[in-house]
Amino acid sequence: GNSVTQMEGPVTLSEEAFLTINCTYTATGYPSLFWYVQYPGEGLQLLLKATKADDKGSNKGFEATYRKETTSFHLEKGSVQVSDSAVYFCALSPNTNAGKSTFGDGTTLTVKP
Amino acid sequence: NAGVTQTPKFQVLKTGQSMTLQCAQDMNHNSMYWYRQDPGMGLRLIYYSASEGTTDKGEVPNGYNVSRLNKREFSLRLESAAPSQTSVYFCASSEGGRGATDTQYFGPGTRLTVL
Repeated sequence: GNSVTQMEGPVTLSEEAFLTINCTYTATGYPSLFWYVQYPGEGLQLLLKATKADDKGSNKGFEATYRKETTSFHLEKGSVQVSDSAVYFCALSPNTNAGKSTFGDGTTLTVKP
Repeated sequence: NAGVTQTPKFQVLKTGQSMTLQCAQDMNHNSMYWYRQDPGMGLRLIYYSASEGTTDKGEVPNGYNVSRLNKREFSLRLESAAPSQTSVYFCASSEGGRGATDTQYFGPGTRLTVL
């Protein structure tokens, strides 16, 4: 079956530090890949996505590149802010009629001023 | 557009009580999902509905039932609540169907405590 493994947290950074959260996946076929973010007390919301190999998703300064050869979709940001403190989930969607997504366990990021 | 709405936001039940969590979406999505989120365990899929009129079990269906009332609404019922069902419940929807990239849109969650 499909699976997503992401870097264990929590991750604590100082403001303006570089962020990487690793994500690797196992899937058959050609899934779409996602990063979702969950702010305290809220539901998950889409941060970025990539639908095919070598695509780069980007939003709010965050980037991730769909690497089929390494089955990875690592999240990066060059300079984090306190407002980026949240839980980040990597996920994949198999792009079939069933449409069920598989989520990683989440990585908690805390950014200190 | 309201997106995905859930009611109630908070609920406290006693063991053995029943309740229904309501979810509605206004994005004309085909697929809807119920998840539970527990500390350190990420999101676990309880039930999903790939399209109106169909429902299927997810990873942790025991103790729950669902109804896809129409294309907009997908409810989750706890027939006899247990303390192990204390959790945050999220409803989500997605476009679904062949070829869809299936971004999921989440509601704000229901925080349920079973005493």
